[in-house]
Amino acid sequence: AQSVTQLGSHVSVSEGALVLLRCNYSSSVPPYLFWYVQYPNQGLQLLLKYTTGATLVKGINGFEAEFKKSETSFHLTKPSAHMSDAAEYFCAVSPTGFQKLVFGTGTRLLVSP
Amino acid sequence: SAVISQKPSRDICQRGTSLTIQCQVDSQVTMMFWYRQQPGQSLTLIATANQGSEATYESGFVIDKFPISRPNLTFSTLTVSNMSPEDSSIYLCSVNPGVTEAFFGQGTRLTVV
Repeated sequence: AQSVTQLGSHVSVSEGALVLLRCNYSSSVPPYLFWYVQYPNQGLQLLLKYTTGATLVKGINGFEAEFKKSETSFHLTKPSAHMSDAAEYFCAVSPTGFQKLVFGTGTRLLVSP
Repeated sequence: SAVISQKPSRDICQRGTSLTIQCQVDSQVTMMFWYRQQPGQSLTLIATANQGSEATYESGFVIDKFPISRPNLTFSTLTVSNMSPEDSSIYLCSVNPGVTEAFFGQGTRLTVV
C-alpha cells in the first residue's frame, strides 16, 4: 500500500526566504507524485507532478520539487517566499496506472513580512 | 483539463437528516472520486464512482452511509445519510481524465448541528 509522510504540520518563513516542504512516500511500485495547494476556503490546485523522466520538476508560482528514489522523497521548494504563498500544501502519491490519490497530512505554510 | 462544479458549496444540516452533493464535470470521464477532508486533516478517499456499475468504497466507508449515483459520464452525486456532527467536513469531487493529474471541485463545506 502507498503512504505519504509530510514532516511538519506548520512551516513558518519570512518573506523572501527559502521555502522547503518535506514529503516522503512509501510505494511498492514506481509512483506518480504530486503537490497540491489549498488556499483558504478553496479547492485543491495542482502545483506540480512527477510521472516519469526528469527528476527535477518545475511547477507554477516558482515552485519545484525533486524526485529522489533512493531517499523516497519529493520535497517542495521555492527560492523566495511571497506572502501569497501562505496556504496548505499537500503531497500525494498515486501508483502508476491507477487514478486515486493517497494524500499526506498537509503542511500549512505561514509567511511573515 | 477538467472543470468541476459542486453544489451546494456549503450547508448547515440537522443531525439525523441527509444531504446530497452534486458534482458536474465539463467533459466525459470514466471515473469520479469522492474525498472527505475533516477539519484540520488531510483528504481521505471515500469511494470511486464508475458509470454503469456500483461505486467502490474504501475501507471504513459503506454504501448505506454514503450512497453514490453515477447516471452518466459527466455527473455524480454523493449522499451523506443520517448525519451526525462527526460528518462535518469538506467533501470534494475529483476526476482524473488524463490518468496523471487529478482535478478537484471547490468542495462542499458541511456542518452538522
